[in-house]
Amino acid sequence: GAVVSQHPSRVICKSGTSVKIECRSLDFQATTMFWYRQFPKQSLMLMATSNEGSKATYEQGVEKDKFLINHASLTLSTLTVTSAHPEDSSFYICSASDIRQGESYEQYFGPGTRLTVT
Amino acid sequence: KNQVEQSPQSLIILEGKNCTLQCNYTVSPFSNLRWYKQDTGRGPVSLTIMTFSENTKSNGRYTATLDADTKQSSLHITASQLSDSASYICVVSSLGGGNKLTFGTGTQLKVEL
Repeated sequence: GAVVSQHPSRVICKSGTSVKIECRSLDFQATTMFWYRQFPKQSLMLMATSNEGSKATYEQGVEKDKFLINHASLTLSTLTVTSAHPEDSSFYICSASDIRQGESYEQYFGPGTRLTVT
Repeated sequence: KNQVEQSPQSLIILEGKNCTLQCNYTVSPFSNLRWYKQDTGRGPVSLTIMTFSENTKSNGRYTATLDADTKQSSLHITASQLSDSASYICVVSSLGGGNKLTFGTGTQLKVEL
């Protein structure tokens, strides 16, 4: 099956700094990438949807100036958490899709990035 | 509001036993229903995906069923193994929503010796 990678897998940063997380589709072209966050024992919450070459669409309540998303190519999307605070500590997961497959196209999830802000 | 509810919230079974997880949804318009397995600290991995016209789909020891009339799905795991211990998430996709997924909160399964 298709493989999606994320880097880094874990990151610890100090409050006030920025952190960039990369999401790559390794063996297919991802027209659309999704970013989720997941708190312990909770389900995934969609943060934003990004289409290659266009601006990301953010879900209600997600600050676009705080969570910067770039989808510059069909295989790479990045999420930058700016001026991180302890409450941003979470598990961030990306997924990638090729919408040209049709309505039932699969979303392939990355392994996730554990962010801890101290 | 689109919702996906799963039961039970958690489950402990002995290795080798079977189990069935339930999923009820109120997502409209319905496109497809997916079951994912998520190991702790990892991203979800797809087990099955079913469209409106499919009643059942198998993937090894995993068998999913779908009743689109009652808006219910189940995931049956046969001959459980220790490696089946994980969270199982039911996810429903709505039509025309840019593949917007509605996630259930998952069933935490633990398989013990």
